[in-house]
Amino acid sequence: AQSVTQLGSHVSVSEGALVLLRCNYSSSVPPYLFWYVQYPNQGLQLLLKYTSAATLVKGINGFEAEFKKSETSFHLTKPSAHMSDAAEYFCAVRARDDKIIFGKGTRLHILP
Amino acid sequence: DAGITQSPRHKVTETGTPVTLRCHQTENHRYMYWYRQDPGHGLRLIHYSYGVKDTDKGEVSDGYSVSRSKTEDFLLTLESATSSQTSVYFCAISESDREGKLFFGSGTQLSVL
Repeated sequence: AQSVTQLGSHVSVSEGALVLLRCNYSSSVPPYLFWYVQYPNQGLQLLLKYTSAATLVKGINGFEAEFKKSETSFHLTKPSAHMSDAAEYFCAVRARDDKIIFGKGTRLHILP
Repeated sequence: DAGITQSPRHKVTETGTPVTLRCHQTENHRYMYWYRQDPGHGLRLIHYSYGVKDTDKGEVSDGYSVSRSKTEDFLLTLESATSSQTSVYFCAISESDREGKLFFGSGTQLSVL
């Protein structure tokens, strides 16, 4: 069954530093992968999605993710963290029945 | 923001009472979903709908029922609320079930005492 594993429930980075949030997937077929972001007291919104067109996917707010089949990974990065990036980030995969399965989330803290 | 309204935004109830949460959309999207969010568990799918009167179970459907009599409304009912159903409930909609782009409501915080 398709699933995603997010490494680290909390990640702290300094403002201006590289953001790296890790996600590994399990899928027996080419996966559709997603990153969603949740700001405090809000619902989730789509950051970016991979649908096999290109391995490097650019999303909103300067985030991007790279699909690496050999590592079964889809890590999310941003070159320079901003205070406004503090949020919870969810990796997700489309399952065989087309439902979206979410990871457990990684809370990103930005240190001044 | 996508036109999704969840009501109520906050609810406190007692164990054993019935509770209904409402999701209303103005986007005319075919697919609607109910998720619950709990610390350490991320989001888990409760039920979903792929059209009026067409619904199916998700991974954590026990103790929940849903109804969709109109395209715009998707109701989630807890027939007899339990403390384990204390959670934040999110409604989501999508135009296509294959694209994976979900639009979420702002959530309902439910506390069962």
